[in-house]
Amino acid sequence: NAGVTQTPKFQVLKTGQSMTLQCAQDMNHEYMSWYRQDPGMGLRLIHYSVGAGITDQGEVPNGYNVSRSTTEDFPLRLLSAAPSQTSVYFCASSYLPVTSGKAGELFFGEGSRLTVL
Amino acid sequence: AQRVTQPEKLLSVFKGAPVELKCNYSYSGSPELFWYVQYSRQRLQLLLRHISRESIKGFTADLNKGETSFHLKKPFAQEEDSAMYYCALDAGGTSYGKLTFGQGTILTVHP
Repeated sequence: NAGVTQTPKFQVLKTGQSMTLQCAQDMNHEYMSWYRQDPGMGLRLIHYSVGAGITDQGEVPNGYNVSRSTTEDFPLRLLSAAPSQTSVYFCASSYLPVTSGKAGELFFGEGSRLTVL
Repeated sequence: AQRVTQPEKLLSVFKGAPVELKCNYSYSGSPELFWYVQYSRQRLQLLLRHISRESIKGFTADLNKGETSFHLKKPFAQEEDSAMYYCALDAGGTSYGKLTFGQGTILTVHP
């Protein structure tokens, strides 16, 4: 049981380049999300998904795109990288609390450190 | 909109001393509050949630709705407690899972 797997762990891009951060989970979680972690800012939600084919924006969605074609995968695309997107990116997943009525525990990936020059 | 504030970016204590990591939130409804921890070279993971009212690794946290606080406490800190700690809020309803995180506090426990 690998949990949440993110690739790549490290990436350096030039301004204007595009790339995709991959995220996969094997826990059959309905909910998946992407956060970015910046010093002094904590973690901020970029995009999230409550199931295959359903995505929505979080707090800081500009410059990022997501899709959810399967329950397992939730890739994050940077359309045209900018230095402001230099950050550590975390993918997380959880069950939806549809039956328990309480928030589920988020399971995080190891993170992907992105540098945009 | 909800907000979580952790006023201390860095916190240093000596082994065996009590430790309290502060967390204040602003939200008009009834949120669920969490503490997540990230140890060196490990994944961010759930430490505890207020709804469970449990003690994990000697840590406890009480939700004080009057003061809108959810401080994390441990009576006797250990070196292995050194980590980054995040307080997080879930507003519930249609916002389930959309955690709002504080800025984080780096706790260092000196021998």
